[in-house]
Parts: sequence; structure tokens; C-alpha cells
Amino acid sequence: ETGVTQSPTHLIKTRGQQVTLRCSSQSGHNTVSWYQQALGQGPQFIFQYYREEENGRGNFPPRFSGLQFPNYSSELNVNALELDDSALYLCASSPRVRGTDTQYFGPGTRLTVL
Amino acid sequence: ELKVEQNPLFLSMQEGKNYTIYCNYSTTSDRLYWYRQDPGKSLESLFVLLSNGAVKQEGRLMASLDTKARLSTLHITAAVHDLSATYFCAVDETSGSRLTFGEGTQLTVNP
Repeated sequence: ETGVTQSPTHLIKTRGQQVTLRCSSQSGHNTVSWYQQALGQGPQFIFQYYREEENGRGNFPPRFSGLQFPNYSSELNVNALELDDSALYLCASSPRVRGTDTQYFGPGTRLTVL
Repeated sequence: ELKVEQNPLFLSMQEGKNYTIYCNYSTTSDRLYWYRQDPGKSLESLFVLLSNGAVKQEGRLMASLDTKARLSTLHITAAVHDLSATYFCAVDETSGSRLTFGEGTQLTVNP
């Protein structure tokens, strides 16, 4: 059973650029959630995808968008990058939307915006 | 809006000592999770607490949940250096895997 994987590991961008982060969910998991973790803080929920549809969104602007593919992998896209977007971006997968299953987190992508 | 508060935020303790980390949350929920994070790493699941009075133990860590008090505790028994990490509690209020995290408790265990 493979765990959650994310790519790239690290990324450096400049303000105004666009970035795409990728996540492969754990085998058998159809729900993917994305979180942003600023330095020294707890993760904050960005949005969740279930069967290729957005299923809940946190307090993030529309320039944060995502996709989920038929194989349940997912992308997080951020347009018009700002300095405050610098953070660790975590992807988490779980077997289903409704339930009590633990979310399993990937290793994260460290994004630095200069 | 759900708020999750942990205390203390920083905890320095000696090996062999006991201590408790507290997690308070502001709305009704019976799903609470504890995670561990090592520096520069991702989150590792420790415990899932799904009902009032739930208690789970793994090694030197024991977690409990009081949904009426909206309080969870993570108790550390006879701490060892390997437990040094940041510990997060997270609450799922929507039954839909949308977690709201506390600020984290940075634990340092000194020899």
C-alpha cells in the first residue's frame, strides 16, 4: 500500500507568478484535502475534493483552485502569488467524505514566494 | 466559527517526567484527532477520538476526549527525548474530514 505523495518537495517562485502542486492519494482513498501551514502555525483547510468535485472550501480566495482526477490524484493551483503564500502545503487523503477515518498526510511541498 | 486552542504552546520537560497538553474547542463535535509533527516533516496520525469518554493509549502517550467540556487531553508519561516534536489537535465539526487545527504544542524533552 503506497502512502500519500506530493511533488515537488520545494519550490521557489516570485510574486505574481502561478504555481501548481501535485498530490497522489493513498491507494483506495477517494477524498483529498489540501491544507496550508504557515511557519509556526497549525495547518489551515483550503478545500477538499471528492470524486472530482469540490466538497467544501476554507477561507481562501478564488486564486486558490484545485482539481481531482479520475485516479483521485489532485492538483492545487495558486495564481498571482503573494509573499504570504509562502508556506508548507499539505495534501491529505481519506477513504471517504463522510465518516470517521483518519486523514493521512503527505510529506508536503514547501513554497517560498520572493 | 470553530476555534481550537491548545495549551501550553511551548513545553520543556525533563526525561522521566509526566505532563499533559490540553485542547479546547468551541463547538459541538465528537471527532478529535491528535497529530505529531517533527521539524520540517509532515503530520503523523497519533489518535482518533470518536465519542465522549474515549481514551486511547500508545506507548507513553494517552489521549482522552470529554465532549461535554469540549476538551481533549494528551498525557505524556515518563517522557523520553524521542517524544520531542510539535503536537497538534484537530477537530472535525462537519463529519466530512474538514479539520480545524490548534496552534500546536512544541514539546522539548531534555535529558
